[in-house]
Amino acid sequence: DQQVKQNSPSLSVQEGRISILNCDYTNSMFDYFLWYKKYPAEGPTFLISISSIKDKNEDGRFTVFLNKSAKHLSLHIVPSQPGDSAVYFCAASVRGSTLGRLYFGRGTQLTVWP
Amino acid sequence: EPEVTQTPSHQVTQMGQEVILRCVPISNHLYFYWYRQILGQKVEFLVSFYNNEISEKSEIFDDQFSVERPDGSNFTLKIRSTKLEDSAMYFCASSVGSYQETQYFGPGTRLLVL
Repeated sequence: DQQVKQNSPSLSVQEGRISILNCDYTNSMFDYFLWYKKYPAEGPTFLISISSIKDKNEDGRFTVFLNKSAKHLSLHIVPSQPGDSAVYFCAASVRGSTLGRLYFGRGTQLTVWP
Repeated sequence: EPEVTQTPSHQVTQMGQEVILRCVPISNHLYFYWYRQILGQKVEFLVSFYNNEISEKSEIFDDQFSVERPDGSNFTLKIRSTKLEDSAMYFCASSVGSYQETQYFGPGTRLLVL
């Protein structure tokens, strides 16, 4: 079951620069996408979401871009800070579903170095 | 800020034993979920629960698993006869609604089956 894919297991970025985390999906029925951040021994923390009716959503340093034709989304963090070092998960839910099930990618470990 | 809480944080059990994992969702949330993450793998959906009944369950959620909302605040996951492969982090989540709503996760219970 690889409906949500995060092909980069890790990303290393210098503090102050942009971090770009990528996510691809295969299920064309997905219409709501979320990014979560996870520190070791903690639960996933919600960062930002986007509905398929939009192609961009911003919240402070975090911006998510959605390219529906390519079935691709990305999370941009600008500027990156050492506290952003964590595992980032992309998740998706199915259009019209009232059941709420989220499908997760495997995650990308982001390391921001000073 | 309201948060999802889970107890215990760690649980070690013998194969074949029953375990109950407990969660207190955010108080005004109506939808509740269990997910798990086996070490090194992605977060996987187990079950969703609304209005005192299961809304959806995954193929992982077999007859050994059950969920219950025994009172107005707790949400529990029971594994009747644990197997070695049940060793994982178990996350509870809750949301206000189910369609395009953010799910908020608890810190998790690390279950180790020996």
